[in-house]
Amino acid sequence: GAVVSQHPSWVICKSGTSVKIECRSLDFQATTMFWYRQFPKQSLMLMATSNEGSKATYEQGVEKDKFLINHASLTLSTLTVTSAHPEDSSFYICSARVPQETQYFGPGTRLLVL
Amino acid sequence: DAKTTQPPSMDCAEGRAANLPCNHSTISGNEYVYWYRQIHSQGPQYIIHGLKNNETNEMASLIITEDRKSSTLILPHATLRDTAVYYCIVRSYSSASKIIFGSGTRLSIRP
Repeated sequence: GAVVSQHPSWVICKSGTSVKIECRSLDFQATTMFWYRQFPKQSLMLMATSNEGSKATYEQGVEKDKFLINHASLTLSTLTVTSAHPEDSSFYICSARVPQETQYFGPGTRLLVL
Repeated sequence: DAKTTQPPSMDCAEGRAANLPCNHSTISGNEYVYWYRQIHSQGPQYIIHGLKNNETNEMASLIITEDRKSSTLILPHATLRDTAVYYCIVRSYSSASKIIFGSGTRLSIRP
């Protein structure tokens, strides 16, 4: 199957700082990328959908000014958690697909905000 | 996209076949059945998908009932490494389609 990578795999930051997470499709061009968040012992929750070259569509309850998503190319999407706080600590997972194809997931990024 | 119903947990002996059921009674004609699994602290891994015919690959088999209202994922010879949460998902190939995860089935493989 297709490979999706994320960087970094884990990050620790101080409260109030911003953190950027990268998601790359390594062997295919992804027209659509997704960002999920997962808290301990819970299922994945979809945060937003981004299409290359256009603004992301956020799910209800997700603050677009706090979670900035950029999908600048067909192989790269970034999620920036702005002014992170301890409640933003979570496991962030990206996913990518091309039309009419299977959606593949990255390995996830664990964020800890102190 | 249609919703799915899965048992919260199951267990299976190592070496035996693990059969994971999924109900998707409101599935539409253009929606596929997908299975993913998530091993602890990793991203979801694609397993298999199908529309109406049974499918088999190197990981598993997918059996879809004739009315398409339910399906079963079969891991033919379960190993300890198959311990994970398994998600059954229904989605179409429309550009607006997105994967919404339910609670899945937590599969435990006992030695």
